[in-house]
Amino acid sequence: QVQLAQSGSELKKPGASVKVSCKASGYNFGSHSINWVRQAPGQGLEWMGWINTNTGNPTYAQGFAGRFVFSLDTSVSTTYLQISSLETEDTAVYYCARDRKSIEFDYWGQGTLVTVSS
Amino acid sequence: QSVLTQPPSVSAAPGQKVTISCSGSSSNIGNNYISWYQQLPGTAPKLLIYDNSKRPSGIPDRFSGSKSGTSATLGITGLQTGDEADYYCGIWDSSLSAGVFGGGTKLTVL
Repeated sequence: QVQLAQSGSELKKPGASVKVSCKASGYNFGSHSINWVRQAPGQGLEWMGWINTNTGNPTYAQGFAGRFVFSLDTSVSTTYLQISSLETEDTAVYYCARDRKSIEFDYWGQGTLVTVSS
Repeated sequence: QSVLTQPPSVSAAPGQKVTISCSGSSSNIGNNYISWYQQLPGTAPKLLIYDNSKRPSGIPDRFSGSKSGTSATLGITGLQTGDEADYYCGIWDSSLSAGVFGGGTKLTVL
């Protein structure tokens, strides 16, 4: 069965970096892109962008270029989200989601809570 | 402020019907397929409707979707307490070249 398993919660200080992983299983990893979605506490869903799992080419939504980097390791069917120079406003749950076609996400990871606090 | 506009909350009694609207523009709903997601408390979103009105396998036919012009609607009949959740519409916006979600609608089953 298709699964996206994300890494566990992180507590970081402002200015630090964090790397969240999303391991896919149960399907051909290269057949679907992986998208990332942010949900700040008590807020709605925010699309961050996606990565082509064949080419590794990332696309970032406005506001997520620069400190946010998508990458992948096809040998372990895993996609990564790295956030550098963390700010308290980055505190959120980050989800990875498999894309069947544009913004049609049929499988989601369980979410990773990143808390940024001094 | 979201590109897609949803009511913040809706409510209805068990067994009743409710509709949730999602209003957009020609660059999103008017020319692309919309999806709907259900997010139960403390869990990841789940695909409920895709291609405006299709249901993934396992989604009961109590859930339906429709689209007209630049607006879309999610309908839920035979409401159950287990339907209490946040519901989001999501779509590709061709002008922004970006995915967008509505602000979400909290459903309360009284």
